[in-house]
Amino acid sequence: QLVLTQSPSASASLGASVKLTCTLSSGHSSYAIAWHQQQPEKGPRYLMKLNSDGSHSKGDGIPDRFSGSSSGAERYLTISSLQSEDEADYYCQTWGTGIHWVFGGGTKLTVL
Amino acid sequence: QITLKESGPTLVKPTQTLTLTCTFSGFSLSTSGVGVGWIRQPPGKALEWLALIYWDDDKRYSPSLKSRLTITKDTSKNQVVLTMTNMDPVDTATYYCAHSASSGPYDYWGQGTLVTVSS
Repeated sequence: QLVLTQSPSASASLGASVKLTCTLSSGHSSYAIAWHQQQPEKGPRYLMKLNSDGSHSKGDGIPDRFSGSSSGAERYLTISSLQSEDEADYYCQTWGTGIHWVFGGGTKLTVL
Repeated sequence: QITLKESGPTLVKPTQTLTLTCTFSGFSLSTSGVGVGWIRQPPGKALEWLALIYWDDDKRYSPSLKSRLTITKDTSKNQVVLTMTNMDPVDTATYYCAHSASSGPYDYWGQGTLVTVSS
């Protein structure tokens, strides 16, 4: 069964960088994922699709400050030059015709 | 410009059936690779995937909720409908619909609709 594991929380200072992690369960390390951002009291917003080789394609209007990378079963979302509006919940997601669609538990990012 | 909007009751009673409609624009659900799905989020909790319907009428359901869910599409009306039977207070959540292109991840989301289950 495919499971996505995310740390419940993370924090970083205004203007700094932060790297969030999404870990794919055993046997699924080749899967691509997507990252979504959910600001307080808002619906989710698609950030990017991230492949196992680290290549990624971002959604409409997503700033260059958001980037993705991969290593083994880990998928990363790096946000640089943190701004107050980056304070949000971040979710990873898998999809596919041969597997069930799954969301990770989300990481709550606090900008200090 | 792709937009999606959820509609349906804000309050349902336990044991009742919930029917939600996703009305969308900016794409066609008859285009190869396109899908529309439903996701929910209980207050203060994480996103939970519910169901997805593809352009070719292929349907996918969450294994834990499969027996209670039905997803259908009306291509001519640009709508996708989700029904969930035997509603319970634990089903209280914001329900979102979302678009998927080229059999990829959700890349556009609706604003969500809060459904409360209470007698």
